Amino acid sequence: ETGVTQSPTHLIKTRGQQVTLRCSSQSGHNTVSWYQQALGQGPQFIFQYYREEENGRGNFPPRFSGLQFPNYSSELNVNALELDDSALYLCASSMTSGGARETQYFGPGTRLLVL
Amino acid sequence: GEDVEQSLFLSVREGDSSVINCTYTDSSSTYLYWYKQEPGAGLQLLTYIFSNMDMKQDQRLTVLLNKKDKHLSLRIADTQTGDSAIYFCAERDPGGYNKLIFGAGTRLAVHP
Repeated sequence: ETGVTQSPTHLIKTRGQQVTLRCSSQSGHNTVSWYQQALGQGPQFIFQYYREEENGRGNFPPRFSGLQFPNYSSELNVNALELDDSALYLCASSMTSGGARETQYFGPGTRLLVL
Repeated sequence: GEDVEQSLFLSVREGDSSVINCTYTDSSSTYLYWYKQEPGAGLQLLTYIFSNMDMKQDQRLTVLLNKKDKHLSLRIADTQTGDSAIYFCAERDPGGYNKLIFGAGTRLAVHP
């Protein structure tokens, strides 16, 4: 167990709806990264949050957005859901301190199905 | 471009050694990782290696790194049925933030 938790575990939505996924980082970690893992593929980087700001973004459209809170927990929001957004969404926490970056530890993921 | 490559499937007999291979793209990558994913679960960190090392051993796991060929391998000694899972190789993007670039994963099947 990494200490990274995600909620909900599973979610079913319909096209056009909006969804919010949540992540609590491991104690002592200040950075949260989000990844999308489509079926049969490796995780793809969505974005990263550090000090409550987006600190890097992958090749995902603006309808994917996020937040980080003062306690370092994070939300991933997806607007105007499309069928291709069906995937496992993984959150990873790590410690960024003085320029050193540490290993990312993953949560169990939220499985999203868009119908 | 970003393209970490792995073979898709490996089948081994229980008790044998498993070797999972990976090629990565960026010779300036500093850290390379192996993660394990069991069905329906998140990713579990197995081990990592820093780019100035050639080998790292951790109990049953041995990681070999060939920087010249950009080749990484994970050897699992005495493979058990509990090792059946998908194994992902990942490189840390050498850019300014801590982004991981993953391969598609190798499915390891262990049979009696």
